[in-house]
Amino acid sequence: EVQLVQSGTEVKKPGESLKISCKGSAYSFTSYWIGWVRQMPGKGLELMGIIYPGDSDTRYSPSFQGQVTISADRSITTAYLQWSSLKASDTAMYYCARGTSLARYFDYWGQGTLVTVSS
Amino acid sequence: QSALTQPASVSGSPGQSITITCTGTSSDVGAYNYVSWCQQHPGKAPKLIIYDVSNRPSGVSNRFSGSKSGNTASLTISGLQAEDEADYYCSSFTISSTLVFGGGTKLTVL
Repeated sequence: EVQLVQSGTEVKKPGESLKISCKGSAYSFTSYWIGWVRQMPGKGLELMGIIYPGDSDTRYSPSFQGQVTISADRSITTAYLQWSSLKASDTAMYYCARGTSLARYFDYWGQGTLVTVSS
Repeated sequence: QSALTQPASVSGSPGQSITITCTGTSSDVGAYNYVSWCQQHPGKAPKLIIYDVSNRPSGVSNRFSGSKSGNTASLTISGLQAEDEADYYCSSFTISSTLVFGGGTKLTVL
């Protein structure tokens, strides 16, 4: 069964750095895109960016370009989302999801990682 | 890229059918047959229920169906059940080779 398992809840202070993870299993990790999706409290879904672990091709949505870094380690079938300096406005649930054919849709989703940024 | 437009809420009684619309532009919904829908129950991750306008993943009830006309896509749920109460999000591939989501629709089963 295809699974995406994300790292656990994080509580951080403004200005701190953070890297969250998403481990894929039971499928060819290098043959599908992984997307990161933000859901702020009580709000909708926003695509942050996608990565193709096969060749590390990474694309960011304009609103998130320069704000986060998406990466992947093929050897351990894990994708990452990282921040160098968190802001309170980064407080949200973050989902990773598996995308097909340039991520024109996401067919499997991780369980989500809740990130809370507060002083 | 602006979010696709969905009604904030819809409601229906058990057994009825409801339709949720998703309006975009000729740069996204109208450009390709690459509209998808996902269902999100409170506190849970989204789940894909329709892809490529009208295809259902394995295991998704045939009570869910999708269609598209021009720049507007639609999700219809027939034989409404209490378990269908959730948030529904459309998404579309765009001419910029990215994916844009709708704002979401809260479905209430009366």
